Amino acid sequence: AQSVAQPEDQVNVAEGNPLTVKCTYSVSGNPYLFWYVQYPNRGLQFLLKYITGDNLVKGSYGFEAEFNKSQTSFHLKKPSALVSDSALYFCAVRDTDSWGKFQFGAGTQVVVTP
Amino acid sequence: ETGVTQTPRHLVMGMTNKKSLKCEQHLGHNAMYWYKQSAKKPLELMFVYNFKEQTENNSVPSRFSPECPNSSHLFLHLHTLQPEDSALYLCASSQTTAANQPQHFGDGTRLSIL
Repeated sequence: AQSVAQPEDQVNVAEGNPLTVKCTYSVSGNPYLFWYVQYPNRGLQFLLKYITGDNLVKGSYGFEAEFNKSQTSFHLKKPSALVSDSALYFCAVRDTDSWGKFQFGAGTQVVVTP
Repeated sequence: ETGVTQTPRHLVMGMTNKKSLKCEQHLGHNAMYWYKQSAKKPLELMFVYNFKEQTENNSVPSRFSPECPNSSHLFLHLHTLQPEDSALYLCASSQTTAANQPQHFGDGTRLSIL
C-alpha cells in the first residue's frame, strides 16, 4: 500500500522569502516521488522527480526537493518565492512495485504576496 | 504545455445527455490515463491504458465508458451522469506505465451536470 500526505492546506509567504511545501509518504517498497504544480484553469505541470541517487533534486522554475528516507519526506523548496509561484502544488508517490498508479496528495495552495 | 490536448475545455450537460470527452497526446507516449479532480479532494485515478489496452479500472461507475483507439487518442464517453459527477476531468500520458515515468497532463475538461 502507498500513501502521501501534504499536511498544509495553504502556505502563505512574502515575495523574496524562502518557500517550503511539505510532503510525507508511505510505501512498502522503494518510493518514486514527484512534484506537480497546477495553475488556475490548467492541468498539472511536472516540476521534478526523485528516482534514485542524490537526495537533492533540482527541477523547473528554480524549485528543488530533498528526499529524506529516515523521515519519509520529500519537501519542495524554493530559495526566493515569486508572486507567479502562487498555485496549487501536488506531491505524488509511486511504489517501485506499482505499475501505473500514482498516489497524489490533496494539494497545498501556495499564496505569495508582494 | 501543448503535448496533451483535451476537448472540449468546458461542457454543460443534462443528466440524460450523452457526450464524449476527447484527449490527444503528441508526445509519442504509450500510456494514457483519465483522472477526476473535485474540489477539496485528491485526484482520483479512473482508468489506465497501456498500448491501447485497459490495464486499470478504479471501480468507476459504468456511466463512464473509456475508449482508446490508438496510443495517441483517449475518449471518455458519458451517459446518464449524476450531479456529483461535476468535476474537472484530466487526461494524462506517460512514456510507459513504469513507476519512474512522470505523467504529462492536459488542461482538462470542466464538466457541469445540470
